[in-house]
Order: sequence, then structure tokens, then C-alpha cells
Amino acid sequence: AQSVTQLDSHVSVSEGTPVLLRCNYSSSYSPSLFWYVQHPNKGLQLLLKYTSAATLVKGINGFEAEFKKSETSFHLTKPSAHMSDAAEYFCVVSDRNFNKFYFGSGTKLNVKP
Amino acid sequence: DAGITQSPRHKVTETGTPVTLRCHQTENHRYMYWYRQDPGHGLRLIHYSYGVKDTDKGEVSDGYSVSRSKTEDFLLTLESATSSQTSVYFCAIMTRDKADTQYFGPGTRLTVL
Repeated sequence: AQSVTQLDSHVSVSEGTPVLLRCNYSSSYSPSLFWYVQHPNKGLQLLLKYTSAATLVKGINGFEAEFKKSETSFHLTKPSAHMSDAAEYFCVVSDRNFNKFYFGSGTKLNVKP
Repeated sequence: DAGITQSPRHKVTETGTPVTLRCHQTENHRYMYWYRQDPGHGLRLIHYSYGVKDTDKGEVSDGYSVSRSKTEDFLLTLESATSSQTSVYFCAIMTRDKADTQYFGPGTRLTVL
């Protein structure tokens, strides 16, 4: 069965420093993978997605993620954190038919001034 | 925001009462989803629909039923609400033309006393 594990429930960085949010997936096929962001008391917004094209995926607001099949990872990075990046981030894997989606438990990103 | 609305936005009810949540979309997307969000669990799929009268279970479907009699509406019913169903419920649509991106509604906060 497919699943995702977000390795950190909370990450704290200083403004202007790099961000790394870690995600490992488990899947018996080549999945589609996504990162979504949820700002406090808001709905979810797609940051980026991997759908078996380029392994380095660029998203909105300067975020990117790299699909590494050998490591079954899809970590989210950003070179320089901004205060507005403070939010909860979810890694998501699809089933093989792209009909169902499985969310990780989330990583809360805190950005210190 | 893909024209997704949820109603009600907040509801407090008592154990044992039936509750129906409504998700409405304005763009005739085929796929619609119901998730619940609980701390430490991310979002978990309850049910989804792939067309009028076509629905399937997700990973936490016990105690929930759904109906879709029109393309634009997807209803989630708790036949007899329990305190364990206190949660935030999100509806989502999937846009096939955007390669399985999901767009989420604003959420419904349900409290079962």
C-alpha cells in the first residue's frame, strides 16, 4: 500500500536561511507526488507536483522538490525562508490511478525573524 | 479557488444526531472528495466520487455516507454523529485537465458534543 512519512512534525528556521522539509514515500508503482501548504485557518494550496517527468520540480513561491527513486524521497526545499512561509506543509502520494490520495501527517514550519 | 463552497462552515451538534455537509462546485469537475483533518493525522480520505451516482470509499469511511445526484453537489452524511467525528472536513475537486491537481474548499468545522 502507498503511504508517505513526513520525518519532522515541526521545523524552525530563521528568516533568510534555507528550508528543508523531508518526505519519504512507500509505493509499489511509480507514483505522483505533491506538496500542499496550509496557512493558519485556511484551506490547502498546491505548491508543486511530480508526475514522472523531470525529477527536480519547481513550484510556487520559490519552493522546489526533488524526486529520488533510489531513496524513496521527495524533500521540499527553499533557499531562503520568508516570514510568510510559516504554515503547515503536507506531502501527498497518489494511488496508481490518481483517484485516491494519501497525505502525510504534516510539518509545521516556523520562521523566526 | 475553483468555485468550491462548503456549507455549513461551522456546526455544533449532539451525539446521535444526523448531520449532512454539502460541497458545491461551479465548474463541473468529475472528481470530488471528502477529507477530514485531525491534528497529527494530516488529511484522511473519507469518500470520493468520480461522477454522478459513482462513489467509492476512502481510508476512514466507517460512519459516513455520501451522495452525488448532481455533478455540482457532493453530500457527506454522518448518520449518527459521535464525538470521534469532531473534526474539520474539507471538500476537494480534481481537475483532470491539470493532471490531478486538487483544489480544496474552505472547510467545515464540526463539533459533536
